[in-house]
Amino acid sequence: NAGVMQNPRHLVRRRGQEARLRCSPMKGHSHVYWYRQLPEEGLKFMVYLQKENIIDESGMPKERFSAEFPKEGPSILRIQQVVRGDSAAYFCASSPGGLPETQYFGPGTRLLVL
Amino acid sequence: GENVEQHPSTLSVQEGDSAVIKCTYSDSASNYFPWYKQELGKRPQLIIDIRSNVGEKKDQRIAVTLNKTAKHFSLHITETQPEDSAVYFCAASLTGNQFYFGTGTSLTVIP
Repeated sequence: NAGVMQNPRHLVRRRGQEARLRCSPMKGHSHVYWYRQLPEEGLKFMVYLQKENIIDESGMPKERFSAEFPKEGPSILRIQQVVRGDSAAYFCASSPGGLPETQYFGPGTRLLVL
Repeated sequence: GENVEQHPSTLSVQEGDSAVIKCTYSDSASNYFPWYKQELGKRPQLIIDIRSNVGEKKDQRIAVTLNKTAKHFSLHITETQPEDSAVYFCAASLTGNQFYFGTGTSLTVIP
């Protein structure tokens, strides 16, 4: 039973480019969460999605960041016009539903903006 | 929103000793408190969790205690081993969905 998958594991972008991060939840999980982790800091909630719906995006920056979880395929976190401050590890987690929800994390995507 | 504070930020113990990490939360409505272990460069992994209707939970060498009145919860690791060295994060959730994480404790177990 495969765990949460994320790709790419490492991503290098130049300032102004776009970054697309993908997350495939565990089999049977329909809830996805995205977190950002800056170096030597904790995990900061960004967004919570269910299939085709954004449930809570209170942690998402208002500009340049967007997320989706289509009916088919992985969840995508998209960062437009990246800046150096976007460099971080981005983790997604998934859960099967029900409250409270135990979240299982993927291996993360480490984004470096040059 | 919820605010979670975690102490200490770093902790060194001798192998075989116990380690205790403490977290406080601000919103009394929070009802779920997981603990994650993150090794360098790896994903956070759930090691234990506790719900607000329980005061203590134990799993082998790991235990978590919750004091709802004082709004704090603690992770206890007994008989520490070098492989316990990692960063540990506590979290609190009041909706059951959005987790608020502490800033982490870097634990080093000295052989």
